[in-house]
Amino acid sequence: DSGVTQTPKHLITATGQRVTLRCSPRSGDLSVYWYQQSLDQGLQFLIQYYNGEERAKGNILERFSAQQFPDLHSELNLSSLELGDSALYFCASSEAIGQGGSGNTIYFGEGSWLTVV
Amino acid sequence: AQSVTQLDSQVPVFEEAPVELRCNYSSSVSVYLFWYVQYPNQGLQLLLKYLSGSTLVKGINGFEAEFNKSQTSFHLRKPSVHISDTAEYFCAVSDIAGGSYIPTFGRGTSLIVHP
Repeated sequence: DSGVTQTPKHLITATGQRVTLRCSPRSGDLSVYWYQQSLDQGLQFLIQYYNGEERAKGNILERFSAQQFPDLHSELNLSSLELGDSALYFCASSEAIGQGGSGNTIYFGEGSWLTVV
Repeated sequence: AQSVTQLDSQVPVFEEAPVELRCNYSSSVSVYLFWYVQYPNQGLQLLLKYLSGSTLVKGINGFEAEFNKSQTSFHLRKPSVHISDTAEYFCAVSDIAGGSYIPTFGRGTSLIVHP
């Protein structure tokens, strides 16, 4: 158990709909990352938040957005869903950014399986 | 931006045989290197990491990896595999110089251990 909790574990929804994926980081971790894993694209970095503020953006579509709340949990919002958005969405967390020695190791949750039909 | 190449998409091996999973990354001055394992229907679990110091890194479950800066490689090895090692293995690189520390992942190598 990594200590990163993601809900829901599985989600089936129709095209055009909107869903929210939730993540609770490990206790004490300030940084949250979202990744998308699909067969054709592999593991793609979407976005990172650090202590409530957006820190870095990867290959995140404009239809997707995220936020990190004061209690450090994070939500990934996916809207106008398309069939191609079907994937496993991972949340990960780490202690800090740029702190020497820790290597900024990130710990992954078990993912949220999204199926768009 | 960093890129990571895992040269083998699938590696079949017999139980108790040695195995090497290969990983190469694009050149950078300073990097952190990681191997993660993903068992079926689970998240990614950290196997081992290289931050600095000794180029031979030992991880969990008997795995080890060697950092080779001149060849920009970080191959994962295990002297004797078990059926339970069957899983997907991901190599990842964090670019320290860029300051983001965000890991870039390879496409993964599926290790299949046969009895």
